[in-house]
Amino acid sequence: DARVTQTPRHKVTEMGQEVTMRCQPILGHNTVFWYRQTMMQGLELLAYFRNRAPLDDSGMPKDRFSAEMPDATLATLKIQPSEPRDSAVYFCASGPGQIPRNEQFFGPGTRLTVL
Amino acid sequence: DQQVKQNSPSLSVQEGRISILNCDYTNSMFDYFLWYKKYPAEGPTFLISISSIKDKNEDGRFTVFLNKSAKHLSLHIVPSQPGDSAVYFCAASSNSGGSNYKLTFGKGTLLTVNP
Repeated sequence: DARVTQTPRHKVTEMGQEVTMRCQPILGHNTVFWYRQTMMQGLELLAYFRNRAPLDDSGMPKDRFSAEMPDATLATLKIQPSEPRDSAVYFCASGPGQIPRNEQFFGPGTRLTVL
Repeated sequence: DQQVKQNSPSLSVQEGRISILNCDYTNSMFDYFLWYKKYPAEGPTFLISISSIKDKNEDGRFTVFLNKSAKHLSLHIVPSQPGDSAVYFCAASSNSGGSNYKLTFGKGTLLTVNP
């Protein structure tokens, strides 16, 4: 049963600390997405990759957020320094990158709380 | 600028009746539309999709209707079951040009099906 996995599932940290979230996309998927879910904004796209190359990170605050794909089995999202307003659920999703049927498959999310 | 709008934050229906969830979009370049279902503490899961060349797509109890002239789509669930209680997200993508894999999501509608 192929699934997107994310670690950690929950993270509580203090303002100013670095946070790293990890994602393992479904094997064979070549597009990977990072989303943030908040009550006010719904699901916001932060960044996405195709074949490990970043295609769009316009939704991400560049001064503190960074997203990378060191290899095809790992995507990371880092926040440094973290702030209370970063508290949200962060989802990773992957997809086969087919047009037009570009369904995305989501992981369970990382719930981040910044105190 | 909300390009995909779900104007009803919540909807409550009786078991066995029809649930109709609505979605409006503003970007005329959108040509593929998807519905996702999300349970608490889980990631969204793909439910059903429709291409802009169609006006209806059916999968079991779920039917999506697309009205391009009105830039409106709806998801019908018949008959509704208590297990359908979840947040439903509408999403859209523009695949013209063949290089855009992004999905733009609405803020979601919480469906509650009462026994």
